[in-house]
Amino acid sequence: DGGITQSPKYLFRKEGQNVTLSCEQNLNHDAMYWYRQDPGQGLRLIYYSQIVNDFQKGDIAEGYSVSREKKESFPLTVTSAQKNPTAFYLCASIRRNTEAFFGQGTRLTVV
Amino acid sequence: DAKTTQPPSMDCAEGRAANLPCNHSTISGNEYVYWYRQIHSQGPQYIIHGLKNNETNEMASLIITEDRKSSTLILPHATLRDTAVYYCIVRVTDSWGKFQFGAGTQVVVTP
Repeated sequence: DGGITQSPKYLFRKEGQNVTLSCEQNLNHDAMYWYRQDPGQGLRLIYYSQIVNDFQKGDIAEGYSVSREKKESFPLTVTSAQKNPTAFYLCASIRRNTEAFFGQGTRLTVV
Repeated sequence: DAKTTQPPSMDCAEGRAANLPCNHSTISGNEYVYWYRQIHSQGPQYIIHGLKNNETNEMASLIITEDRKSSTLILPHATLRDTAVYYCIVRVTDSWGKFQFGAGTQVVVTP
């Protein structure tokens, strides 16, 4: 079945550590997006990528980094520079003229 | 992409129609109206989209005013499983861009 997969579902990070969240899609979609969601809030855009080896900052990119080496994959690294990383992270992909498909999210907690 | 304005919350009785308004007064001629919903702790799910004609699918109906400055999502017979946050987004379908979400409307369906 085609879809978009995020892993892990839950992730715990010690302060000062970098962690990488995985997002993989087999929908042959060109564009991929990362969002952050805090409790009771809407989705805020972190980074997005429209083609391989290219990506743009969203509204809250500080403390995050991404790569897009393959069309299918768009991993997000939460660096130690992100001072408040505890949140729900969502990945999405879009093909031209279609709606966006979302993964089921990764819940990151700093311990 | 144009901004949207939605009421923060609304209640609906089970079995009744739920009418969710969205204002998008700065929408451009080539921007579509999309609706998504997010059930607690899950990824957003696509519902419906339209340009200027009213649209209907198995989940909902979308009514867009003639001037395209506002729209209404109609859930014809709300069930308890329709309790979710509903997001209205406008975007140019034939491109990607930032694809941003607002705060959405929290809909609570009560027995």
